[in-house]
Amino acid sequence: AQSVTQLGSHVSVSEGALVLLRCNYSSSVPPYLFWYVQYPNQGLQLLLKYTSAATLVKGINGFEAEFKKSETSFHLTKPSAHMSDAAEYFCAVHLNTGNQFYFGTGTSLTVIP
Amino acid sequence: ETGVTQSPTHLIKTRGQQVTLRCSSQSGHNTVSWYQQALGQGPQFIFQYYREEENGRGNFPPRFSGLQFPNYSSELNVNALELDDSALYLCASSLGEVVTEDGYTFGSGTRLTVV
Repeated sequence: AQSVTQLGSHVSVSEGALVLLRCNYSSSVPPYLFWYVQYPNQGLQLLLKYTSAATLVKGINGFEAEFKKSETSFHLTKPSAHMSDAAEYFCAVHLNTGNQFYFGTGTSLTVIP
Repeated sequence: ETGVTQSPTHLIKTRGQQVTLRCSSQSGHNTVSWYQQALGQGPQFIFQYYREEENGRGNFPPRFSGLQFPNYSSELNVNALELDDSALYLCASSLGEVVTEDGYTFGSGTRLTVV
């Protein structure tokens, strides 16, 4: 079985501060891992993905995530938050068997001016 | 700019009715998946089609059904609507059968309210 846990349903940071959104997964096989962002009244947009190449993955808009197998984590970070980063962020795991994504429950990021 | 369009954007139905949601995938994308996103939750996988054949299904009852057409459009049909079916329904397309290669392109969704 596989699942994704996002710690913290709401995260607030000041503009310019570090963004850290946490994601832990459980999987019996090496997973593919993704981060998506959802702005209000919009669909999901891919931020970045891990597919067993480099453990540090760089995505769009200055975000990056590090795959840590020993910690079963794939936390999303950004050195300096912008107001435009305020959105809902979803971590997802995918296994080719069953051919589906499993999404976490999401983390709402608020950026304080 | 998304290449996946969904219609309608909002819909209100009565319990027990049937509904059809439509999606136009990005041109050339042979895989289409449908997800249900309840308020405050992450998307949950309903099913996936590749070249008009269903090749994956989540934990949803048979009253959720779908079709994919050769022109990269698809439908999600839900029969005997229940109040708990109220959610945002997302369509997502991908180039190949192995979604992990390219990831998904998501549409903006259809907000279904069942009263």
